[in-house]
Amino acid sequence: QSALTQPRSVSGSPGQSVTISCTGTGSDVGGYNYVSWYQQHPGKAPKLIIYDVSKRPSGVPDRFSGSKSGNTASLTVSGLQPEDEADYYCCSYAGDYTLRVYLFGTGTKVTVL
Amino acid sequence: QVQLVESGGGEVQSGTSLRLSCAASGFTFRSYGMHWVRQAPGKGLEWVAVISYDGNKKYYGDSLKGRFTISRDNRKNILYLQMNSLRTEDTAVYYCAKDLEYFDNSDYFDYWGLGTLVTVSS
Repeated sequence: QSALTQPRSVSGSPGQSVTISCTGTGSDVGGYNYVSWYQQHPGKAPKLIIYDVSKRPSGVPDRFSGSKSGNTASLTVSGLQPEDEADYYCCSYAGDYTLRVYLFGTGTKVTVL
Repeated sequence: QVQLVESGGGEVQSGTSLRLSCAASGFTFRSYGMHWVRQAPGKGLEWVAVISYDGNKKYYGDSLKGRFTISRDNRKNILYLQMNSLRTEDTAVYYCAKDLEYFDNSDYFDYWGLGTLVTVSS
């Protein structure tokens, strides 16, 4: 199983929106609605920001939104803030009814210009 | 508050073994599945393994090929990762992470430790 594919980097100015794609296959992203997104600042542990494709945990700003179409999931950050500059990783369930397996994306660095 | 503290990392020679621990507090440990996720220096996240809340089910990433074993002690609130036949490509920060919902009813990691660095030299 290969890592899910994400763009290496995206950038935007404060207040703009950026969208990060996460492409997998029908055996992971396309096969289940169990997609999550994690934000990681340098030297820090990852933080869950989206789960179940589009749900936000308590405390995550509604500037973060998720969606999915076919084998590709997307994370949109609206109204970009300086503190949004970080690495972002998607993750998808990739198992079956007898095997519990997860795949992360390759990661995307978001730069706030 | 939820706290996960990893320990046991260090520098070891290729071919040797190491056991990582993750001490959990602030939640009912025995009710949640737990994961190990690793990150090689400057690289992305890689899911390593998961253990069910009761320790009866264990699953591993493909790349580990039977060298790693996840386990837990629900009396001591500790998660373990036994790593054998270590290779240079196992060099990474190893994080433990908690399932979002109890009794294995989710596929997300809502709390993470700060990680412990494992360096495997040849």
